[in-house]
Amino acid sequence: QVQLQESGPGLVKPTQTLSLTCTVSGGSINSGSHYWNWLRQPAGKGLEWIGRVYTPGGTKYNPSLNSRVTISVDTSNNQFSLRLTSVTAADTALYYCARSSAHYGGTDSWGQGALVTVSS
Amino acid sequence: EIVLTQSPGTLSLSPGERATLSCRASQSVNSNYLAWYQQKPGQAPRLLIYGASSRATGIPDRFSGSDSGTDFTLTISRLEPEDFAVYYCEQYGYLPNTFGQGTRLDIK
Repeated sequence: QVQLQESGPGLVKPTQTLSLTCTVSGGSINSGSHYWNWLRQPAGKGLEWIGRVYTPGGTKYNPSLNSRVTISVDTSNNQFSLRLTSVTAADTALYYCARSSAHYGGTDSWGQGALVTVSS
Repeated sequence: EIVLTQSPGTLSLSPGERATLSCRASQSVNSNYLAWYQQKPGQAPRLLIYGASSRATGIPDRFSGSDSGTDFTLTISRLEPEDFAVYYCEQYGYLPNTFGQGTRLDIK
């Protein structure tokens, strides 16, 4: 059973960069069968897809964040990471890393979420 | 991007009743790449349905999904106490993946 765990600072100052890492256990991030995603959910609101990485090649991002977001992968440590630059209070949210099937879709495994607050 | 509109916003029902949740897409969803999730307070979403009508692993058969063009439906045949939660639909056929705003299923 694959497990995902987010880690990173819970407080980021406005204009700075938000950085989170997702550690995957119980499965290889290099399987080629899955996308590795970042999503977020502001308190009391709905879900927003941020982007994904696919280890055979490539990243895709939500155009609403495209110029500010980078997702990278570290296959040697079975981790993938999120960087979001120039953050504002609007980026305050619970950030999830999650796995989805590259063939059938649907996001079947989620981390517990990491709360990131943007405040000075 | 594809906009998903879920209705109703809140549904109040009793255990044992049938629940019908709707998700309408602003345009055709590629290959019915639509999923449904259940989210309880303080928990991550849980995948229920993918491909519009395929149940995810371990999901009880009282949960079913169907589609008709750009209209998608999640049906819970007989509500159990643990089914009261927020439900989201997601389309993953066209980037960016998008979610509906959610339907809250409350105990009546």
